[in-house]
Amino acid sequence: QVQLQESGPGLVKPSETLSLTCAVSGDSISSGYYWGWIRQPPGKGLEWIGNIYHSGSTDYNPSLKSRVTISVDTSKNHFSLKLSSVTAADTAVYYCARAYGSGSYCWFDPWGQGTLVTVSS
Amino acid sequence: EIVLTQSPGTLSLSPGEGATLSCRASQSVSSSYLAWYQQKPGQAPRLLIYGASSRATGIPDSFSGSGSGTDFTLTISRLEPEDFAVYYCQQYGSSPLTFGGGTKVEIK
Repeated sequence: QVQLQESGPGLVKPSETLSLTCAVSGDSISSGYYWGWIRQPPGKGLEWIGNIYHSGSTDYNPSLKSRVTISVDTSKNHFSLKLSSVTAADTAVYYCARAYGSGSYCWFDPWGQGTLVTVSS
Repeated sequence: EIVLTQSPGTLSLSPGEGATLSCRASQSVSSSYLAWYQQKPGQAPRLLIYGASSRATGIPDSFSGSGSGTDFTLTISRLEPEDFAVYYCQQYGSSPLTFGGGTKVEIK
């Protein structure tokens, strides 16, 4: 069964770039699904960041689009998130997930366990 | 974007009781493209329902989803101890996809 695992620094300084990777196991990232990033500030709700297809086609939340880049590496079976110019408001648990559907018209299953990223100097 | 409002914010119930959770959209969700997730403390969300009423793999039939347009409901017919958690709805019929603020089902 497919499993996803996020990795990356747990602490990022304000104005710098947050970088995370999601390793996919048990399924090929080229299997025809989309793959997504979702975040959850501590004690708050969920916010969709964006999705990517193995071809590299992306869809982003307009609220974050100017700062977000999602990329895919099919040879490593993983996809990545970069969020630039971070502030304390970007402190959150970041989840990656497999997306069923197309583009930004997707639901998510399964999810990775999540990784907490704190923005602080 | 479509805003999803979940109610109530918190539901206090006893094991064995039934639960009815509401998700109301600010505009019609096309093709009933609505999903429900369960999240327990310290865990990732788990998909329960997609397409408003289709149960995900491995989800017991005590969970059911219904609704269309702007009003959707998640029903838990009989609460088991492991069902006490936070539940989120998510629409994917309009971009950007959005989540509701969640309903916490707690033990009374």
